[in-house]
Amino acid sequence: EAGVVQSPRYKIIEKKQPVAFWCNPISGHNTLYWYRQNLGQGPELLIRYENEEAVDDSQLPKDRFSAERLKGVDSTLKIQPAELGDSAVYLCASSHGLAGVEQFFGPGTRLTVL
Amino acid sequence: GENVEQHPSTLSVQEGDSAVIKCTYSDSASNYFPWYKQELGKGPQLIIDIRSNVGEKKDQRIAVTLNKTAKHFSLHITETQPEDSAVYFCAARVAFGNEKLTFGTGTRLTIIP
Repeated sequence: EAGVVQSPRYKIIEKKQPVAFWCNPISGHNTLYWYRQNLGQGPELLIRYENEEAVDDSQLPKDRFSAERLKGVDSTLKIQPAELGDSAVYLCASSHGLAGVEQFFGPGTRLTVL
Repeated sequence: GENVEQHPSTLSVQEGDSAVIKCTYSDSASNYFPWYKQELGKGPQLIIDIRSNVGEKKDQRIAVTLNKTAKHFSLHITETQPEDSAVYFCAARVAFGNEKLTFGTGTRLTIIP
């Protein structure tokens, strides 16, 4: 079974530029999460989707971050404009929801803002 | 909100010895406590978890203990091997229905051959 797929794996941009990350969860997983992991820290939740509905976006900086999961499958996280402090690893995870609580993580996208 | 503290931040043990990592949580409503292993360049991978109605759980060389009264839980790895070297994260989740995991700050475990 394929795991959570993320792309790109690495991204280097200059500040004020836009950037987008893509995630394809494990097939059949209706819950999708975006986390940000700063260097030397644990992941912090940005947003959680149940199917196509964002049910917890309280930690998403809405002035510059946006996310979508239009068909309840893959998802895109966007930052516009990027700031130096956005440099981090952006992790996507998915879970089956009612069938289990385990969250399966993708490899992440390492973003460097110069 | 929930706050999870993890200690130590780094840990080096001789191959074959045991390693213990400890976490405390703040919200007494938390009922699910997973442990994740993260290798370089990879996402976190679940290695063991425990629910609040259980005090201890084992899976081969890995065990987790939970003390609800003291609000702390620990990861125990016995007979450590070089492939156990990684960063380990504990996490806590408040009662069923809220899927938000709050992670600790991680422990970098190094196994010395």
